[in-house]
Amino acid sequence: ETGVTQSPTHLIKTRGQQVTLRCSSQSGHNTVSWYQQALGQGPQFIFQYYREEENGRGNFPPRFSGLQFPNYSSELNVNALELDDSALYLCASYSRGSGEKLFFGSGTQLSVL
Amino acid sequence: SQQGEEDPQALSIQEGENATMNCSYKTSINNLQWYRQNSGRGLVHLILIRSNEREKHSGRLRVTLDTSKKSSSLLITASRAADTASYFCATDIGSTLGRLYFGRGTQLTVWP
Repeated sequence: ETGVTQSPTHLIKTRGQQVTLRCSSQSGHNTVSWYQQALGQGPQFIFQYYREEENGRGNFPPRFSGLQFPNYSSELNVNALELDDSALYLCASYSRGSGEKLFFGSGTQLSVL
Repeated sequence: SQQGEEDPQALSIQEGENATMNCSYKTSINNLQWYRQNSGRGLVHLILIRSNEREKHSGRLRVTLDTSKKSSSLLITASRAADTASYFCATDIGSTLGRLYFGRGTQLTVWP
């Protein structure tokens, strides 16, 4: 089990609403990545934060935004939710000392109705 | 689009048998990793193989990498019911360390 924690574990929203997901990285890890995993698919990279700055972004629209705090925890915000945003959202932490492997949290299952 | 693609999509075997999963990818890589996911929860890192390596072992896991064919395989020997999970290969491509591209995964079911 990794030291990465995500909250909440499950969330139900309606189309058009906004949502904030939270992630606490593993101790000592200064980089946090967010992934979206649709049912039956592999995780897709959303963006990454390093030292409170966005450091790489995947093919996701601007309504997906994030923050990283001085303690390296992070938030993922999604505005104007769409039905296709229903997915498992995974946070992964990393540091150069961890040897390029990612440590994943258990995810937040978001359902948009 | 997915960078890596696993094959088969689903694999069903008996305990004690070996399980082999394959992964193909499209562009040059620095390394390739395999992850395991139980029941749609978080992924767990299994093994990393670098582009200049051809084979790597970790316990009951054996990974091979053929960069000329842009493919990798994961072998789980003497499988157990507890090995039932989805297995994903992931590649890194660009300069953003920690940015991985995952395939769709292989769902492995091991029957007792």
